[in-house]
Amino acid sequence: QSVLTQPPSASGTPGQRVTISCSGSSSNIGSDTVKWYQQVPGTAPKLLIYANDQRPSGVPDRFSGSKSGTSASLAISGLQSEDEADYYCAAWDDSLNEGVFGTGTKVTVL
Amino acid sequence: EVQLVQSGAEMKKPGESLRISCKGSGYTFSNFWIGWVRQMPGKGLEWMGIIYPVDSDTRYSPSFQGRVTISTDKSLSSAYLHWNSLKASDTAIYFCARQSSTASWPAFDHWGHGTLVTVSS
Repeated sequence: QSVLTQPPSASGTPGQRVTISCSGSSSNIGSDTVKWYQQVPGTAPKLLIYANDQRPSGVPDRFSGSKSGTSASLAISGLQSEDEADYYCAAWDDSLNEGVFGTGTKVTVL
Repeated sequence: EVQLVQSGAEMKKPGESLRISCKGSGYTFSNFWIGWVRQMPGKGLEWMGIIYPVDSDTRYSPSFQGRVTISTDKSLSSAYLHWNSLKASDTAIYFCARQSSTASWPAFDHWGHGTLVTVSS
């Protein structure tokens, strides 16, 4: 059972803004930076955000991340059909001494 | 172009041993930690462990410590995940991934395509 909690689903119409939350604790999000991954079904995950709000090269600026205390958020603005995927947050957990992923959020483009 | 190419799907029986592989190319393999991530059918991602090819320094998730062995052969630019005795609950897709050198763990900036391991009698 993951220590990072995400809503199971989120949805929006093309062009809308969708936000996904990730709730953790002082031993993970509270003491480390947050990463976000996108996983299109049947494919490998892709790093979208690292260091809370940094995008690797090639990731559109429609994707943005933020962190406050023991929670983080991923926002997708100008939602597109290709954004339909599962999204996971991740961080290092100092108490468990391991990397931890969120429970995952399935984004549907209506 | 950075690539991580994993070995093919495996079908095994409970109690059998297995080693799957991950070969890196397009970068200096030894300079980056390589991690393994499990995804059970219909489930989320789980961090299993990570290895540094230069000196084989390995860190395991407590959940996987003793159940699997992570190793590397830097001369072959390859990392491996090994089981001595498989269980049906090991059925999953296993991804290898390269840890970014500029971000804290787990920030995997390149991934293999995944290896499906099916364990069934």
